[in-house]
Amino acid sequence: AQSVSQHNHHVILSEAASLELGCNYSYGGTVNLFWYVQYPGQHLQLLLKYFSGDPLVKGIKGFEAEFIKSKFSFNLRKPSVQWSDTAEYFCAVNAPSSARQLTFGSGTQLTVLP
Amino acid sequence: NAGVTQTPKFRILKIGQSMTLQCTQDMNHNYMYWYRQDPGMGLKLIYYSVGAGITDKGEVPNGYNVSRSTTEDFPLRLELAAPSQTSVYFCASRLGGNNEKLFFGSGTQLSVL
Repeated sequence: AQSVSQHNHHVILSEAASLELGCNYSYGGTVNLFWYVQYPGQHLQLLLKYFSGDPLVKGIKGFEAEFIKSKFSFNLRKPSVQWSDTAEYFCAVNAPSSARQLTFGSGTQLTVLP
Repeated sequence: NAGVTQTPKFRILKIGQSMTLQCTQDMNHNYMYWYRQDPGMGLKLIYYSVGAGITDKGEVPNGYNVSRSTTEDFPLRLELAAPSQTSVYFCASRLGGNNEKLFFGSGTQLSVL
């Protein structure tokens, strides 16, 4: 079974700082990878996803993530965060050969100080 | 389209009470899911369905039941509420096939006292 680890539980940054949130997964085969975001008081929404092809994927609001297969990682990055990026971020993995279930990481709470 | 609609938004139950969390989607999605979200634990899959009449257990199914009599509706039933079921519950759906994007409802905050 697949699993997802997000090692940073809470990250606090000032506006304009650069962001990198770690995500590692354990699964030996082909995977689909996702980052979801949950803004305060809102439901989860998709930030970006990787299925195949270019390992550097770009999502909404200036976020990007890089899939490094050799490291089983899919870290989320943003060069300059804004106060409005304050949210909880979840990494998720789906193995296409599985029962089509998404496995989520435990989440990283990002707080951006104005 | 309203997307994924969950009701109620908040509920307080006493130990041993039962209730049904409602979930409906108007996007004609085949796949529907129930997750619970606990602080620091991420989302855990309770039950899922790949189509009307088909349901299956997820990671944490104990204490819950589901049904999928129509494509649109996927209610989650708690028969004997326990404090361990205090959580935020999210329903989600997706079309299926290679379209892996999940659409989430706004969540139900449930407290069992």
